[in-house]
Amino acid sequence: DTEVTQTPKHLVMGMTNKKSLKCEQHMGHRAMYWYKQKAKKPPELMFVYSYEKLSINESVPSRFSPECPNSSLLNLHLHALQPEDSALYLCASSQGFSGGAGQETQYFGPGTRLLVL
Amino acid sequence: RKEVEQDPGPFNVPEGATVAFNCTYSNSASQSFFWYRQDCRKEPKLLMSVYSSGNEDGRFTAQLNRASQYISLLIRDSKLSDSATYLCVVKLGTNAGKSTFGDGTTLTVKP
Repeated sequence: DTEVTQTPKHLVMGMTNKKSLKCEQHMGHRAMYWYKQKAKKPPELMFVYSYEKLSINESVPSRFSPECPNSSLLNLHLHALQPEDSALYLCASSQGFSGGAGQETQYFGPGTRLLVL
Repeated sequence: RKEVEQDPGPFNVPEGATVAFNCTYSNSASQSFFWYRQDCRKEPKLLMSVYSSGNEDGRFTAQLNRASQYISLLIRDSKLSDSATYLCVVKLGTNAGKSTFGDGTTLTVKP
């Protein structure tokens, strides 16, 4: 099973709201990722967690706050977002970071389509 | 220069055609290479990893040329269902966790 699940599928929020995106995988993967994707653009890395610790933050604004409660779950907390943050937010996981393509292959969830009004 | 560059496309081909995409990467320390496909409004899905010796999966063949720093994807006997955006992904061995995506090449296969 190579499934990564994400909730919600769609989210509309105002600029003063606080919301959270959730991601879950049960493949025993130790690396998890958040990406942001705008229309007709490739996914853009935001955060990487390895063994539940944040290993990469791609200079993401603090209005995005990631959290990894355990090895299967990854959250992205949203607060005071701007309309330009509207995008598809993708979660992915991989077995690890190194050791060849088998370890490094990322499996993506279906994404949360976010609209900020 | 971008770290990963792909043919901009779009590619419009008839069913049954053979089509090839190229992707170049700038960092010679890159270690792992992948092709993903992404359908409209869906998530990227792994098509195939690319190995030094080249690899084939049915109608799809991937090649890696480390000397020239490019990878390629060949699709034979194109099907309507092959219509998608194809993303080239490159990962440095030393930059733990970070993969670089190309901008993607859009393929439309027509009847």
